[in-house]
Order: sequence, then structure tokens, then C-alpha cells
Amino acid sequence: DGGITQSPKYLFRKEGQNVTLSCEQNLNHDAMYWYRQDPGQGLRLIYYSQIVNDFQKGDIAEGYSVSREKKESFPLTVTSAQKNPTAFYLCASSMYPGNSPLHFGNGTRLTVT
Amino acid sequence: QKEVEQDPGPLSVPEGAIVSLNCTYSNSAFQYFMWYRQYSRKGPELLMYTYSSGNKEDGRFTAQVDKSSKYISLFIRDSQPSDSATYLCAMSQNSNSGYALNFGKGTSLLVTP
Repeated sequence: DGGITQSPKYLFRKEGQNVTLSCEQNLNHDAMYWYRQDPGQGLRLIYYSQIVNDFQKGDIAEGYSVSREKKESFPLTVTSAQKNPTAFYLCASSMYPGNSPLHFGNGTRLTVT
Repeated sequence: QKEVEQDPGPLSVPEGAIVSLNCTYSNSAFQYFMWYRQYSRKGPELLMYTYSSGNKEDGRFTAQVDKSSKYISLFIRDSQPSDSATYLCAMSQNSNSGYALNFGKGTSLLVTP
């Protein structure tokens, strides 16, 4: 089955540690995205990538970093500089960088204590 | 003023009821409108996509866009307990791709047997 795999489903870290969230897609989509979802909030865009080896900051990129070395992979690192890292993180992809709908993974719940 | 406003609910209805979910927006340039359904601890899935004004029907779901009032609706006929989820509206002015989308905060729907 084609889709987006995010791992792990739940992640726990101590404050001050960097942590990397995995996102892999086998849909052969060009564009990939990272969103953050907090209770009572809409989805907020962290980073997006329209093509391999290229990515742009979204609305809330501070304290996060990404890489796009392969078309199918778009890992997100939550650094210790992110002030409120505890959240539900969603990865998505779309066939083209322009007009095509998003397909989402099932998210990673990160808890930092 | 937020660009996209959505009542968070929760909205509770009996099985079989007609459900009306709504979003208002302030940017008159929006022309791509989407509804996503998100089950608890899962990623959103695209339900309906509309370009510009008008109605679109898909099974028990109907999406309506009223650009003059800056108002969009999602109607669910013959609601089922399996429709219990959070419904997110999303919209943009020049693309339905992830980097361009403005999401509402979501409305939580509970359909009781």
C-alpha cells in the first residue's frame, strides 16, 4: 500500500535534547511538508520541500531543522532551541509542488519533559 | 482577525441527523477550499475539494462555497457514529498545495447511536 509512514508514533525526550522525527513516503510525490498541531489550534506549517535538496521555512520554523536528501524521506529535527516542543507532528506530501492535494501520515506525538 | 474561523464545538448529534459544519474567512482572494476529516490520533484525510464557488456532492457529503459571504459549509447527511471526528477546513488563494493552505482550528463532531 502506498502511503506516508511516520515513526515513532510516540516519542519522549528530556528538555535540552535534540530529537529527529522520521517521515517516509512511497507515493513518488515531489513535495513534502511538516506541520505542527496543538490542542485547539489549526495546523501550522513548519517546513516544506518542493524538490530534493531544497526546502523552505514555513510559518513556525524557529527551533526546527529539516533535510531532503532523498525524494521519499523528509526528517524533522526538533532542536533544544524550540521553546515549546511538546506537540503532535504531522508529515504530508503532495504529487506536485503546485496544485495537488495533501496526503498526511498518522503523526508523531512528541512529549518533552 | 484570523484569516479562517471555525467553531471548535464539540457538536453532538444523534445518528441519522444532518450535520452542518462551517468556516468563515476574511481573505476575498481565497479560491481553493478543502475539508479534511481527522480521527483521534490520526492524520487528516481529504474529504472534499472545491475550486471557486458552488456546491459539490460526494455520497453523504456536500461542500458549499459562498464567496460573497466568505462562508463555506460541509453537510453530512444520515450521519453515522463513524463520522465522529474533527473536521478541518482549509483554503488558499493560489494553490491547494500545502505551503499555501490556511487551516481552521477544526470542529469536533460526535454522532451518538
